[in-house]
Amino acid sequence: SQTIHQWPATLVQPVGSPLSLECTVEGTSNPNLYWYRQAAGRGLQLLFYSVGIGQISSEVPQNLSASRPQDRQFILSSKKLLLSDSGFYLCAWSVGLQAIYEQYFGPGTRLTVT
Amino acid sequence: AQTVTQSQPEMSVQEAETVTLSCTYDTSESDYYLFWYKQPPSRQMILVIRQEAYKQQNATENRFSVNFQKAAKSFSLKISDSQLGDAAMYFCAYRTNFGNEKLTFGTGTRLTIIP
Repeated sequence: SQTIHQWPATLVQPVGSPLSLECTVEGTSNPNLYWYRQAAGRGLQLLFYSVGIGQISSEVPQNLSASRPQDRQFILSSKKLLLSDSGFYLCAWSVGLQAIYEQYFGPGTRLTVT
Repeated sequence: AQTVTQSQPEMSVQEAETVTLSCTYDTSESDYYLFWYKQPPSRQMILVIRQEAYKQQNATENRFSVNFQKAAKSFSLKISDSQLGDAAMYFCAYRTNFGNEKLTFGTGTRLTIIP
């Protein structure tokens, strides 16, 4: 069966510090991968998605970036965090089973920028 | 651009009763998918049910069912025989059938189960 991992689970970082969040998927090949952010009391906002190694599309311009160095690894980064980057970050994967592409989410990372 | 609206920030229901959560969406497309996700206190998003827009029959998954009204652009979730474990945030989501499979989420409904 497929599983998705995210780490760290929680992170507290000062403004201006770098960020690296990692997501890995097991049990599937060539998944589509997604990074979402959930601000307090709000729904999820898509940040980045990837259909293959090195292929990244950005949905929202910001100081975050994403990379996909391996088929089942997706990394969210920042060179300098802002207070507004605080939130809950969720990674998700999908495959085109019956072309439905249902998305399945990881456990998330709670980021607090101080 | 597609939008998803959940007009009920909070709902509550007695255990074993039935509750309906509302969702409306706006799109000019005719082919798309709709989903309900559950986010319990652990905050992991769990897929509850999906509906393909080309299907007229409403989807059901055990105690969960939807009322899909395509013309009205309405997609409500009915939970029957509510259980304490159903307490969570529920998000309605839309996905186009074209392009990047991006999910557009509503703002969520917090469901409380009263014992």
